[in-house]
Amino acid sequence: EDQVTQSPEALRLQEGESSSLNCSYTVSGLRGLFWYRQDPGKGPEFLFTLYSAGEEKEKERLKATLTKKESFLHITAPKPEDSATYLCAVQASGGADGLTFGKGTHLIIQP
Amino acid sequence: DAGVTQSPTHLIKTRGQQVTLRCSPKSGHDTVSWYQQALGQGPQFIFQYYEEEERQRGNFPDRFSGHQFPNYSSELNVNALLLGDSALYLCASSLGGLITGELFFGEGSRLTVL
Repeated sequence: EDQVTQSPEALRLQEGESSSLNCSYTVSGLRGLFWYRQDPGKGPEFLFTLYSAGEEKEKERLKATLTKKESFLHITAPKPEDSATYLCAVQASGGADGLTFGKGTHLIIQP
Repeated sequence: DAGVTQSPTHLIKTRGQQVTLRCSPKSGHDTVSWYQQALGQGPQFIFQYYEEEERQRGNFPDRFSGHQFPNYSSELNVNALLLGDSALYLCASSLGGLITGELFFGEGSRLTVL
């Protein structure tokens, strides 16, 4: 069974204080790993897709990296508008096309 | 460019009742997936529709069923509601029935079962 574990569950940072969110996964053949952002009362918003170990993607203050066992979402000099829940998901090769999501990391950036 | 739209946004039902949720995909998209998100949890895959057929299904009982119409819109039906069915139901669209994790989500339908 595919599993995704995200840590920490919650993280409070000061504006400008960089940090990383972790996503550990177990999957029978990784087709892709995905990061989403979810604001309260909204649906998830797609951020990144990573396909193979060593791959990196960047968007503004966010950078996602991938190894064979985990992915990191690095947040550099965050701003209050970066506050959200960040969800990690995997898609297995040869199985159901649906994504398996973790529970997310609730990130709060204080001004 | 219209994104994914879902209706209703909120609804309250009692145990044993039936509910129908509706979704219109993003313009140009033809594939619809449904997810259930309980409070404090990540979304869980229910099923995916492409070419008016259920293509993939997650670990959900037969009480959960769906339909896709020729205009690509979709419905999710849940019968014999249980308290545990209370959740945010998310519709996501993509293109071509392709295997992709780049999904466009709607804002969801919040179902409360009393």
